Amino acid sequence: QKEVEQNSGPLSVPEGAIASLNCTYSDRVSQSFFWYRQYSGKSPELIMSIYSNGDKEDGRFTAQLNKASQYVSLLIRDSQPSDSATYLCAVVHSGGYQKVTFGTGTKLQVIP
Amino acid sequence: ETGVTQSPTHLIKTRGQQVTLRCSSQSGHNTVSWYQQALGQGPQFIFQYYREEENGRGNFPPRFSGLQFPNYSSELNVNALELDDSALYLCASTPPGGNTGELFFGEGSRLTVL
Repeated sequence: QKEVEQNSGPLSVPEGAIASLNCTYSDRVSQSFFWYRQYSGKSPELIMSIYSNGDKEDGRFTAQLNKASQYVSLLIRDSQPSDSATYLCAVVHSGGYQKVTFGTGTKLQVIP
Repeated sequence: ETGVTQSPTHLIKTRGQQVTLRCSSQSGHNTVSWYQQALGQGPQFIFQYYREEENGRGNFPPRFSGLQFPNYSSELNVNALELDDSALYLCASTPPGGNTGELFFGEGSRLTVL
């Protein structure tokens, strides 16, 4: 079992729709969770962090965390073509050195 | 505020050679991490440096080594290059007191091993 799993996609949504990106993780004691956006040929860019169960909203982005079910999700409302990118889920493990593990990413395509 | 800068941006080496990649952290960031990203994969953690010492290491062989300098800049050295080392190498810095997962990435060094 991979430590952090994401559906590789591509996930295609029409412009203006809600895009829902999911991530599951295996280390039950993980404490911190992050979403990064990576445009083709570019480096990852941090867009959201979440540490507690529930929802965290930032503009059109909402991160959701459910530690009991070990999943994290990212919702993008009113999706725009400029949101087309690969979204990487990152999990920080607890204990000793806090290793960061990334998923393989989900490619999102927003269709005009 | 200057972001993370990496050099070179692209390089081509042959199998068995050695390579050094360089990184300048974002201003004030004292922790630097290196990641390897193969095509279609997520970044894989290589190691992290804090106050000039290796502070954590991923599942990479000893031929991957690094340094951090007093100004927080860093180097990644890879010896005896293999074809599978072809990847985008990303340097990331973390602000003081920031969460380990709060990473500010440079644009990367794309290494091709022939």
